[in-house]
Amino acid sequence: AQTVTQSQPEMSVQEAETVTLSCTYDTSESDYYLFWYKQPPSRQMILVIRQEAYKQQNATENRFSVNFQKAAKSFSLKISDSQLGDAAMYFCAYRGSGSARQLTFGSGTQLTVLP
Amino acid sequence: DTGVSQDPRHKITKRGQNVTFRCDPISEHNRLYWYRQTLGQGPEFLTYFQNEAQLEKSRLLSDRFSAERPKGSFSTLEIQRTEQGDSAMYLCASRPGTGGLYGYTFGSGTRLTVV
Repeated sequence: AQTVTQSQPEMSVQEAETVTLSCTYDTSESDYYLFWYKQPPSRQMILVIRQEAYKQQNATENRFSVNFQKAAKSFSLKISDSQLGDAAMYFCAYRGSGSARQLTFGSGTQLTVLP
Repeated sequence: DTGVSQDPRHKITKRGQNVTFRCDPISEHNRLYWYRQTLGQGPEFLTYFQNEAQLEKSRLLSDRFSAERPKGSFSTLEIQRTEQGDSAMYLCASRPGTGGLYGYTFGSGTRLTVV
């Protein structure tokens, strides 16, 4: 079974600075997808960025980018120019080739943005 | 269409009572998922529907849990004889198609408290 590990339960960053959230995963599959989701307090899960494993190029969405290291099974999220609205719980998620295509989530990293 | 709707947002019930939650997915999404999220953890997969067919169930889904998706539209999740360990946020997500990068849209969840 696939597992996703987020080793940083909490992180903080100064407004306008850059922060990197770590994620590692374990899988024997070669074809899969990785996601970062943001969950603000009492609000729904929102997709931040996604990456196809067969693509070597790291995904980028505005201030959000990933560092995907397939051999190391690492998928970190970098947030540049952090804003107060970025404060949330961030989850790394894996989607493999199983028939249901369900997501396997890590335990999350609580990001605090300091003014 | 405003996204995935879940009802109720909050439910407090006494141990031993039955509860039912509803999820209305995005209308053109034929895939529907239920997840359970306990405090401080990432969501865990419970079950998956493709149209009206329930195609996969996690071992987390004990005999006290049942889910339906009549006519492939809304879905219900029922928990019978609730236990304190059932206290959690129950999330519904939907998505279209079979491609890996099709986005999963999450609802805001139903928070269940069993007292």
